[in-house]
Amino acid sequence: GAGVSQSPSNKVTEKGKDVELRCDPISGHTALYWYRQRLGQGLEFLIYFQGNSAPDKSGLPSDRFSAERTGESVSTLTIQRTQQEDSAVYLCASSPRGTIYYEQYFGPGTRLTVT
Amino acid sequence: KQEVTQIPAALSVPEGENLVLNCSFTDSAIYNLQWFRQDPGKGLTSLLLIQSSQREQTSGRLNASLDKSSGRSTLYIAASQPGDSATYLCAVRPSGGATNKLIFGTGTLLAVQP
Repeated sequence: GAGVSQSPSNKVTEKGKDVELRCDPISGHTALYWYRQRLGQGLEFLIYFQGNSAPDKSGLPSDRFSAERTGESVSTLTIQRTQQEDSAVYLCASSPRGTIYYEQYFGPGTRLTVT
Repeated sequence: KQEVTQIPAALSVPEGENLVLNCSFTDSAIYNLQWFRQDPGKGLTSLLLIQSSQREQTSGRLNASLDKSSGRSTLYIAASQPGDSATYLCAVRPSGGATNKLIFGTGTLLAVQP
């Protein structure tokens, strides 16, 4: 079946502009995660959605970052007033239920370059 | 604070060789540990998931072990092939605090030479 998809695959933007990244989870997966991977570093957790519960935003690095998800469907990650340090690959993952036992399935990522 | 370390950072081996990748974590309070491979432009592919109560998991030529008390996991790849070339990541799911995120290591870049 279809996996997690993300768009765009690549995005180049100028410093100070806003960007929106999109994630389509696997159908039926209630949990959705956003991670960031900067060059030479491990993946960093950003935000977690589980159904209609309040999201876990503990990983968002600043108030320029926000994310939305309607129900159990698409999610968008928005970065306002982008900075060069925001350049990274942004990865989305989903899992059938947000418990400890379920694997996370990752999308191909969006490579963001801020010039 | 949980920290995950992977050694070596890069590894190059000839085709056919058996190899071991190492992952260590500082806090043994985890629910599970997951090994992934990452290919350029293709995101992460889950390889093996080991629950905290398990000692090892096997899938084909891959075998992952977990020693939770010592904070270590290994990924054993038998009879390596050029198609195994990728970055291998391990990640733990902490059992304290926020249980819904993974803590990743920085990965091991594997190159299998034909």
